Amino acid sequence: AQRVTQPEKLLSVFKGAPVELKCNYSYSGSPELFWYVQYSRQRLQLLLRHISRESIKGFTADLNKGETSFHLKKPFAQEEDSAMYYCAPIPEGYQKVTFGTGTKLQVIP
Amino acid sequence: DTGVSQDPRHKITKRGQNVTFRCDPISEHNRLYWYRQTLGQGPEFLTYFQNEAQLEKSRLLSDRFSAERPKGSFSTLEIQRTEQGDSAMYLCASSLSETSGTQYFGPGTRLTVL
Repeated sequence: AQRVTQPEKLLSVFKGAPVELKCNYSYSGSPELFWYVQYSRQRLQLLLRHISRESIKGFTADLNKGETSFHLKKPFAQEEDSAMYYCAPIPEGYQKVTFGTGTKLQVIP
Repeated sequence: DTGVSQDPRHKITKRGQNVTFRCDPISEHNRLYWYRQTLGQGPEFLTYFQNEAQLEKSRLLSDRFSAERPKGSFSTLEIQRTEQGDSAMYLCASSLSETSGTQYFGPGTRLTVL
């Protein structure tokens, strides 16, 4: 069965500390993977996609096909990073995005 | 075009009543999606359209739910005979078909069924 898991509901880190938000998926084939973010009182928005291999707001995410993981990382957390983060895979050749349950990142000043 | 818009933003209704929500996507986007989000959960897929064609419906979408996108532009989501379990945030998103994972979300409609 296709499944995406974000094991942490809440992740609290101090400002300046490294951040890693975990995402594991169970999909056949080669899914395309995304991270979406929702800041307080804002709408859900795309943060980054694995195909683009870019860094957005200091965040990067590496697709590890062997471990079927797509963890989101940032070396130094900022207070403005506090938000809900959702991992979202699209199965190969398919159109529907499935969102994980989300991880709330809380950056402590 | 300021992005995806949804109307109303909040709806309070009594159990058994019908409600209808509207979504206006980004104008050049041919894909439109509806999601439902409850507290502590990520958005759950309900249905999506490619232009005016409804291509998939989730099993979560009971017969009381219907969605339309008659001219391939705005879409409506209707819930008939609402139940308390329908209380949730209903999200709309749009995208281009070529980049369907890159979705632009509306602010959502929060439904409360009393």
